[in-house]
Amino acid sequence: DIQLTQSPSFLSASVGDRVTITCRASQGISSYLAWYQQKPGKAPKLLIYAASTLQSGVPSRFSGSGSGTEFTLTISSLQPEDFATYYCQQLNTYPRTFGQGTKVEVK
Amino acid sequence: EVQLVESGGGLVQPGGSLRLSCAASGFTFSSYSMNWVRQAPGKGLEWVSYISSRGSTIYYADSVKGRFTISRDNAKNSLYLQMNSLRDEDTAVYYCARAHDYGDYVGLDYWGQGILVTVSS
Repeated sequence: DIQLTQSPSFLSASVGDRVTITCRASQGISSYLAWYQQKPGKAPKLLIYAASTLQSGVPSRFSGSGSGTEFTLTISSLQPEDFATYYCQQLNTYPRTFGQGTKVEVK
Repeated sequence: EVQLVESGGGLVQPGGSLRLSCAASGFTFSSYSMNWVRQAPGKGLEWVSYISSRGSTIYYADSVKGRFTISRDNAKNSLYLQMNSLRDEDTAVYYCARAHDYGDYVGLDYWGQGILVTVSS
């Protein structure tokens, strides 16, 4: 199975900060990576697919990059509604796997 | 508007069974692959199972293989997860999720609200 490791697991930041989350895959997955945002008590929301394509309706302050084994999610200027937990998911092979999550907290 | 609504959760004893349902509306259900994803209390997301649009291709996570069965009824716009031999570690919120418009390799673009399954004696 492909393992995904996110770093950091926790991140304290302030409104307006630039935030970067990394997701590393245990083997190459081309660009078959998605990023999700989850708020407490809510279902995950797809932010980015194919490593760098913004899902419809997602603000442009979110961006993704990478291919192969290393990927990043960047929030260019953190907004109050962005405090949440973020997950990467590989869609290269089954079983589909998620990273362990990165919680973005208020500093 | 796309809607996915899970039902069938609840409290069940270890070794017991439960059947989850997911009612889909607002899109052509028979054209989309579907997935189940779960989240144990305070933990991360775990992909559970996949079924293709016609039900001909199915995959499971190793943690549920041989115990859970995914199925669908396209005439009823419904997705199911039959869960047998339940264990404490199956306690989680279970989400049904639709594969993206652009295919199975893209992501899960619509999710249900989730349904809680608690396995406890």
